[in-house]
Amino acid sequence: QKEVEQNSGPLSVPEGAIASLNCTYSDRGSQSFFWYRQYSGKSPELIMSIYSNGDKEDGRFTAQLNKASQYVSLLIRDSQPSDSATYLCAVNPPSNTGKLIFGQGTTLQVKP
Amino acid sequence: DTEVTQTPKHLVMGMTNKKSLKCEQHMGHRAMYWYKQKAKKPPELMFVYSYEKLSINESVPSRFSPECPNSSLLNLHLHALQPEDSALYLCASSQDTIRAGAEAFFGQGTRLTVV
Repeated sequence: QKEVEQNSGPLSVPEGAIASLNCTYSDRGSQSFFWYRQYSGKSPELIMSIYSNGDKEDGRFTAQLNKASQYVSLLIRDSQPSDSATYLCAVNPPSNTGKLIFGQGTTLQVKP
Repeated sequence: DTEVTQTPKHLVMGMTNKKSLKCEQHMGHRAMYWYKQKAKKPPELMFVYSYEKLSINESVPSRFSPECPNSSLLNLHLHALQPEDSALYLCASSQDTIRAGAEAFFGQGTRLTVV
């Protein structure tokens, strides 16, 4: 079992729709969770961090964390073509010091 | 300001060359990282520096040699690389090591091609 799992996609949504990106992790003691956006040929850009169960909203982005289910998700409301990118889920598990474990990333395509 | 600056942006080097990648941040972050990313793969951690000391080496071959001259600078010295080392090399920094939950910010990366 991979430590952090994401569906590679592509996930295709129409412009204006809600995009839902999901991530599961294996280390139940993990405490810190991050979502990065990476455009093709560019570096990862941090868009959300979440540490507590529940929802965290920032503009059109909402991160959701459920530690009991070992599940973290990212919702993008009113999706725009400019949101088309690969979204990387990253976890800082307690068994790894100073290290981020990345999922494989989900490619999102927002169609006009 | 969450800027991490990497130079050069692109580098082509021969297998017998010696080159260095540079990374700089002025956010007062005390943890800095080197990651390697191959096409369509997630970043893979190479090295972690915490308070200017090497704290993690992910069994990286010795042809990659990191250096942290001060708290703002991180170098990666390259020597006798192989074509399979061609990748995007990413520097990142965080306020403290990620185990404390600190957010990590990436530089723009250096696209390295070994010929």
